[in-house]
Amino acid sequence: GAVVSQHPSRVICKSGTSVKIECRSLDFQATTMFWYRQFPKQSLMLMATSNEGSKATYEQGVEKDKFLINHASLTLSTLTVTSAHPEDSSFYICSARGLKLAGGMNTGELFFGEGSRLTVL
Amino acid sequence: KNEVEQSPQNLTAQEGEFITINCSYSVGISALHWLQQHPGGGIVSLFMLSSGKKKHGRLIATINIQEKHSSLHITASHPRDSAVYICAPNDMRFGAGTRLTVKP
Repeated sequence: GAVVSQHPSRVICKSGTSVKIECRSLDFQATTMFWYRQFPKQSLMLMATSNEGSKATYEQGVEKDKFLINHASLTLSTLTVTSAHPEDSSFYICSARGLKLAGGMNTGELFFGEGSRLTVL
Repeated sequence: KNEVEQSPQNLTAQEGEFITINCSYSVGISALHWLQQHPGGGIVSLFMLSSGKKKHGRLIATINIQEKHSSLHITASHPRDSAVYICAPNDMRFGAGTRLTVKP
């Protein structure tokens, strides 16, 4: 099945530094990718929708300048947490909507990355 | 009222029991996903459905569009089924999840 690779799986950084998280669709083209945040024992919260070649659409309350999203190709989207603070510590997850698998099948199904646990000291 | 409500929030079952998790939603639906999240955090999409019923192994998902309700069933539950199950009516809205623990 389709695979979405997210990297790094864990990252620890100092307050004030920036952290980049990558989300790659390994065997399919993903024109749309989604970034979510999850606090402990809470459900996923959509942060932004990333469309290839265009600016991301952010959900209300999500700071665009703090959470920079780039979707430069059909297989890669990146989330950069700028000037990270301890309150940014969280589990960040991406998903990609499968449009075309290797066999040309249109699915529309969501495929999720394994998530990235960010700890800001 | 939440846009997506799941019940129960927590469920403990004995191995072999039949499990049902319910999801009611008020948001617009594209295709409803049932997701499984293991303790490590990784998420797997179990089903995507927009009508009727789907079956995969011991898992069955049903949806009633008119009633805006979906259910996930697990037959012959096993300890490895222990996880959080999340209902997502669209890409943007998720249920709070049902934490399932299956005891041997």
